[in-house]
Amino acid sequence: AQTVTQSQPEMSVQEAETVTLSCTYDTSESDYYLFWYKQPPSRQMILVIRQEAYKQQNATENRFSVNFQKAAKSFSLKISDSQLGDAAMYFCAYRRNFGNEKLTFGTGTRLTIIP
Amino acid sequence: DVKVTQSSRYLVKRTGEKVFLECVQDMDHENMFWYRQDPGLGLRLIYFSYDVKMKEKGDIPEGYSVSREKKERFSLILESASTNQTSMYLCASSPWGQSYGYTFGSGTRLTVV
Repeated sequence: AQTVTQSQPEMSVQEAETVTLSCTYDTSESDYYLFWYKQPPSRQMILVIRQEAYKQQNATENRFSVNFQKAAKSFSLKISDSQLGDAAMYFCAYRRNFGNEKLTFGTGTRLTIIP
Repeated sequence: DVKVTQSSRYLVKRTGEKVFLECVQDMDHENMFWYRQDPGLGLRLIYFSYDVKMKEKGDIPEGYSVSREKKERFSLILESASTNQTSMYLCASSPWGQSYGYTFGSGTRLTVV
């Protein structure tokens, strides 16, 4: 079974600085998708960024980018120019690209932004 | 704006009660999911459904059942609520294939006393 590990339960960063959240996963598949979701205090889960495993280029969405290391099974999220609104729980998720597979989530990292 | 709507934001129930958590989506998605979220454990899948009247067990189905009579509605049922079912419950939906991930509701925080 696939597993997703987020080893940092909590992180903090100074406003305007850069922070990196770690995620590793275990799979024997070669074709899959990886996601980062954000859950702010409102509890609404929001998709931040998505990476397709067969694409070598790292995905970016404005201030959010990933470092995808397929061989190492690592998928970290970098947030640049951190803002107060970035404070949230961040979840890493995996889904293999087969049929109608479900998402498997990590345990989450709580990110605090220090003004 | 596309929506997944969970009927209650907060719910308090007594031990032994039958509890219904309702979820409705307006995106004509085939797949719907119920997750449970607990601190330090992340999101764990309870049940999912990929079609009307179809259901599949997730990772932690014990003590729960589901119903999907219409495509847009997916209900989670706690037949006899227990205190260890106190948790945050998240509903989500997705089109078939899911390459773009899920759309989530805003959660129901259930407390069983």
